[in-house]
Amino acid sequence: NAGVMQNPRHLVRRRGQEARLRCSPMKGHSHVYWYRQLPEEGLKFMVYLQKENIIDESGMPKERFSAEFPKEGPSILRIQQVVRGDSAAYFCASSPTDNQPQHFGDGTRLSIL
Amino acid sequence: GQNIDQPTEMTATEGAIVQINCTYQTSGFNGLFWYQQHAGEAPTFLSYNVLDGLEEKGRFSSFLSRSKGYSYLLLKELQMKDSASYLCAVLGRSNDYKLSFGAGTTVTVRA
Repeated sequence: NAGVMQNPRHLVRRRGQEARLRCSPMKGHSHVYWYRQLPEEGLKFMVYLQKENIIDESGMPKERFSAEFPKEGPSILRIQQVVRGDSAAYFCASSPTDNQPQHFGDGTRLSIL
Repeated sequence: GQNIDQPTEMTATEGAIVQINCTYQTSGFNGLFWYQQHAGEAPTFLSYNVLDGLEEKGRFSSFLSRSKGYSYLLLKELQMKDSASYLCAVLGRSNDYKLSFGAGTTVTVRA
């Protein structure tokens, strides 16, 4: 039983480049959530998606950030023109319905040079 | 908005008991979750409380009082591998799927 799979585990980008983070939910889970964790801080909600639909992106910065969960393939969190402040751990979680426990992937640690 | 408070750090001895408190002020309430997170790893689901009272799962128990906006996670018979960060998270309104997390409590277990 594979859990939530995220890749890459570590990603290094230079300022101005693009970062693409991937998340495959647990089998049978159609609800995907993205969270960001800054050092010494709690996880902060970014976006909630179901297949082909963004349900809530209220936690996502208005510019440079986008997310998708296509009919086929993983969910993608895309950050354009990265800046130093984007350095963080980005976690993806999935659940079978929207009020069941969310199960987390191992995260992608993004470092901006 | 959501406000969730838990202590930053706790230290305990192997074999002992530790209680991690969490207080919350949220817009509505639809459940409280505890997660364990080892450094550099994924948060792992530990427990879920939606009704008042105690939920026991082996060495871990979680308690909820909705009227007081209060929960605790009790870790018994502490083992070295229990050294980790423990995250309290709340689901707000009944149609609010966003987990609001506290900053986490780092528990250090000493021999």
